[in-house]
Amino acid sequence: EPEVTQTPSHQVTQMGQEVILRCVPISNHLYFYWYRQILGQKVEFLVSFYNNEISEKSEIFDDQFSVERPDGSNFTLKIRSTKLEDSAMYFCASSLDRVNQPQHFGDGTRLSIL
Amino acid sequence: AQSVSQHNHHVILSEAASLELGCNYSYGGTVNLFWYVQYPGQHLQLLLKYFSGDPLVKGIKGFEAEFIKSKFSFNLRKPSVQWSDTAEYFCAVNAPRETSYDKVIFGPGTSLSVIP
Repeated sequence: EPEVTQTPSHQVTQMGQEVILRCVPISNHLYFYWYRQILGQKVEFLVSFYNNEISEKSEIFDDQFSVERPDGSNFTLKIRSTKLEDSAMYFCASSLDRVNQPQHFGDGTRLSIL
Repeated sequence: AQSVSQHNHHVILSEAASLELGCNYSYGGTVNLFWYVQYPGQHLQLLLKYFSGDPLVKGIKGFEAEFIKSKFSFNLRKPSVQWSDTAEYFCAVNAPRETSYDKVIFGPGTSLSVIP
């Protein structure tokens, strides 16, 4: 069964540094998402992406965050200047359709900010 | 506040016991409902989903869930659990009219430990 894959599995970064989290969605999926889960808290929606543009973003997704699909297969989340509170598990998801199809999630990338 | 709640933070069962994990949501209107499972060290996997039709939904690995609209509930059940069911279980809701088509709102999760 096709899967969403994320790299790296664990990223350790100094505060203030830029970090890029990578995702390869399921190949025929058209909608892409990022979620995060701070330790001990709920999984939270960050952003959705369709047709090469952001479809929706949450209040968490401020100017420090950006997403892009640089080459038609990868889907990346960039955090420009990381803060301690960005430490979390980041999940990528993709779906074939936004209305009647579920989102399929990757393994997640654990981001640790020092 | 609009939310998804799960009744138990941690459930411990012996093998062969029956399981019911409670989930309630506070969104009105049309909702799409999901249960995801996260086995230790693995990604979130879809157990089952409800979009419309029969409110009793069967999923993978012997799980089922019942959508009761009047109670805003979507409880997960399994008649007989196995040790391999040890995992974190997340109820999730998509409420297109109240939030968006894109956003899936997750409950806090229930950790299930099955003792052999």
